[in-house]
Amino acid sequence: EPEVTQTPSHQVTQMGQEVILRCVPISNHLYFYWYRQILGQKVEFLVSFYNNEISEKSEIFDDQFSVERPDGSNFTLKIRSTKLEDSAMYFCASTTSGGAFGITDTQYFGPGTRLTVL
Amino acid sequence: QKEVEQNSGPLSVPEGAIASLNCTYSDRGSQSFFWYRQYSGKSPELIMFIYSNGDKEDGRFTAQLNKASQYVSLLIRDSQPSDSATYLCAVNQAGTALIFGKGTTLSVSS
Repeated sequence: EPEVTQTPSHQVTQMGQEVILRCVPISNHLYFYWYRQILGQKVEFLVSFYNNEISEKSEIFDDQFSVERPDGSNFTLKIRSTKLEDSAMYFCASTTSGGAFGITDTQYFGPGTRLTVL
Repeated sequence: QKEVEQNSGPLSVPEGAIASLNCTYSDRGSQSFFWYRQYSGKSPELIMFIYSNGDKEDGRFTAQLNKASQYVSLLIRDSQPSDSATYLCAVNQAGTALIFGKGTTLSVSS
């Protein structure tokens, strides 16, 4: 069964360093998402991406964050200068239709990257 | 501010019992409603979705939706110890971000 994959599974970095989290969405999916979950808290939306551009972003997704689809398979989240409060699980998700044509847009989640900022 | 509220629990049920998990949401424009299961340290795993008022059954799971009351529930019949996890309710409008509740922790004792 196709699944979303993410690398690395765990990333440790020093405050102020740049990190890139990588995701490979399910191959026929067109809409991609990043969410994060701080330990003990709820899953929070960061950004959605369709047709090579951001379609929606939350107030968490400030200028320190960027997303890119550098090739036909990868989807990346870059944090330019990490802060202690960026420590969280980061989940990538993808879906086929994004809700177009009235089709429920079930989002499938990858296993996550645990980011630890020291 | 769009909110999804869930009782954090823990909800404790004996093996074989019915577990009932509830969720309310604030945005009347919400169109799709999802239940995810999350084991500690793992990612959310889809259990089922519902978008029409009423009940939807899938195996031991039944989702119930009442849009007038802005209420979604999940019933788990014949609960098993392996069902012990945190259950996340999530809602969205078509094509938009999922808004998650904090989740309800379910503990099934054998």
